[in-house]
Amino acid sequence: SQQGEEDPQALSIQEGENATMNCSYKTSINNLQWYRQNSGRGLVHLILIRSNEREKHSGRLRVTLDTSKKSSSLLITASRAADTASYFCATDRFRGGADGLTFGKGTHLIIQP
Amino acid sequence: NAGVMQNPRHLVRRRGQEARLRCSPMKGHSHVYWYRQLPEEGLKFMVYLQKENIIDESGMPKERFSAEFPKEGPSILRIQQVVRGDSAAYFCASSPGAVAAGNEQYFGPGTRLTVT
Repeated sequence: SQQGEEDPQALSIQEGENATMNCSYKTSINNLQWYRQNSGRGLVHLILIRSNEREKHSGRLRVTLDTSKKSSSLLITASRAADTASYFCATDRFRGGADGLTFGKGTHLIIQP
Repeated sequence: NAGVMQNPRHLVRRRGQEARLRCSPMKGHSHVYWYRQLPEEGLKFMVYLQKENIIDESGMPKERFSAEFPKEGPSILRIQQVVRGDSAAYFCASSPGAVAAGNEQYFGPGTRLTVT
């Protein structure tokens, strides 16, 4: 079953606006990470938030985590055309020795100039 | 410090042939992970390896797929007798420690496999 589910699937906004993407997951986690993927490229790590943290900032990025609701949000402020990409949340798979990440299907973000 | 290297970047194989995908982790990283991405999908975990050991291969198909991470040299993902459904982007990632402990995974650029 899909551990991370991003919402919305696609988002198109004007340059300068803020973009908010949400992620829900099903099982308990140690941490949650957000990644960006430009079309046809590899993934770039954006931010990691641990299960005992509620909010984290990095430049124009703000991530929140609500473990009671099993959800996270990624906010990109003052969006730029270069932010156009797919954004994925990923949760750790650590159970019984397993490791690695479980990804959602992603939110495709388009920033219109 | 070079990032995670994958080669080839693009690979075309006919049905029934073998595909070998290589991944060189970042220097000092002993944890390697392989993921598969279908078009318009997120990445799906396949296998987790440490030097010379497969730790978790629960995401890998039972047949035709195998992975190794030898003491010397890159990690190899091998797909025997490829079928059209194997067409996908295969990403390798490495980390200095377990993801669950809060270590960041560094991803390679991926190998795009096309089966004709």
